[in-house]
Formats: sequence, C-alpha cells, structure tokens
Amino acid sequence: SYELTQPPSVSVSPGQTASITCSGGKLRDKYVSWYQQRPGQSPVLVIYQDTKRPSGIPERISGSISGNTATLTISGTQAMDEADYYCQAWDRSTAVFGGGTKLTVV
Amino acid sequence: QVQLVQSGAELKKPGSSVKVSCEASGGSFSSNAISWVRQAPGQGLEWMGAIIPIYGTPNYAQKFQGRVTIPTGESTSTVYMELSSLRSEDTAMYYCAREFSGTYENGFDIWGQGTMVTVSS
Repeated sequence: SYELTQPPSVSVSPGQTASITCSGGKLRDKYVSWYQQRPGQSPVLVIYQDTKRPSGIPERISGSISGNTATLTISGTQAMDEADYYCQAWDRSTAVFGGGTKLTVV
Repeated sequence: QVQLVQSGAELKKPGSSVKVSCEASGGSFSSNAISWVRQAPGQGLEWMGAIIPIYGTPNYAQKFQGRVTIPTGESTSTVYMELSSLRSEDTAMYYCAREFSGTYENGFDIWGQGTMVTVSS
C-alpha cells in the first residue's frame, strides 16, 4: 500500500522558518495537500495542489514539491503555528495521510 | 458556506455496530466527494472510505473492507458511515470531510466537528 513519510517532530524558534517534509513514491505525479490540526480541533486545509493556499490561510504558509518530496514551509513562525501537520495524497482513489509532524515553537 | 454537521458521541459495546451521520448545513454536497477519516486518541489521521453522493458508489480503504459501509441513496444532504464488529481499537474521533473536486485527487476543504466513538464493555 502507498505510504507518505513525515518526520515525527520539528522544532523552531519564534520568527524563524519551519520546514516539514513529506516523501512518497511518485509523489510528483499526485496532488499533495497539507492540514494543520490544533489540539481538540478538526484538521484545517492549509495547502492543496502542492502549492495553493485556500482563502484565509496566511501567505507565510507555503508549499512546494521537488521530486518525490513535498515541503510545507512556515515563515516567521508564531506561537499559534504550534500544531500537528499532516500531508495527504490520493493513490488509486484511496486517500493516504502521512503520519503527522508535531511542530513545536520554542 | 457549507458546513458539515455530524451526529453526537456514541458509546458502544464490543461486537456491536455504530452509524454516524454527516449533514451538509447551508448547502448541499453537489458533486463533491465525502470521506470518512478517523483519529484514535493521540494518533494520526486514517482514511476509511468515501462516496460521491450523487453518483452513489462508495470507495473503501482495504483495511476496513467488509466492516465499513457508506450507504447509498439515503439522502442527498446527509452521508452516513456504519462500522460493524466494533472492538476497543475502534475507539476514535470520526470525521467526515469534503474533497472539493469530486475526483479523488484533491484535498479536504471542509471537515465536520467530529464524532467520538468509544468502544467499551
């Protein structure tokens, strides 16, 4: 079955840039989405189709893809960005999520 | 703006079944796909299956084949998910989520508030 791999945790200092990676086979041929999930809340879509931001998502959150690795980048990280982040893609009409990355702002 | 409103928390015994609903409030599902995603306590997101209500043919994750049912034809504004033969490992928050293009290619732009299902004797 298809798998997406994320680092379990990333730490960043306030105001710095955080990068979270997501790797998977032939990922370049699929659309990658990213979700932010704060404790006790439903996930929120922050990036879709690799690089696009839904309305209401700040410009300091961006997505990119190179080869089979997608990257979520948060610039000027703030305390409010501390959350779990999940990448997601579809493989043969099956949605697959990465294991999630806990972003800590310290 | 469409919101997805789910049914309330459930407490079930092992071996029983649970049926969770997801209603489109303030709109309709149109040609979007609705997925069910669960999250066990402290764990990640796990996709269970999906349906495009106007077409009716559900699509299930292999892990849940035979245990999960997303009924077709019940309503154009409410989607249901039924999980049978419940065990303690099924204790989780269950979310419905809309895949906005209806093509099983894109992200989930709207999520329900979640339904907590607890399986305990």
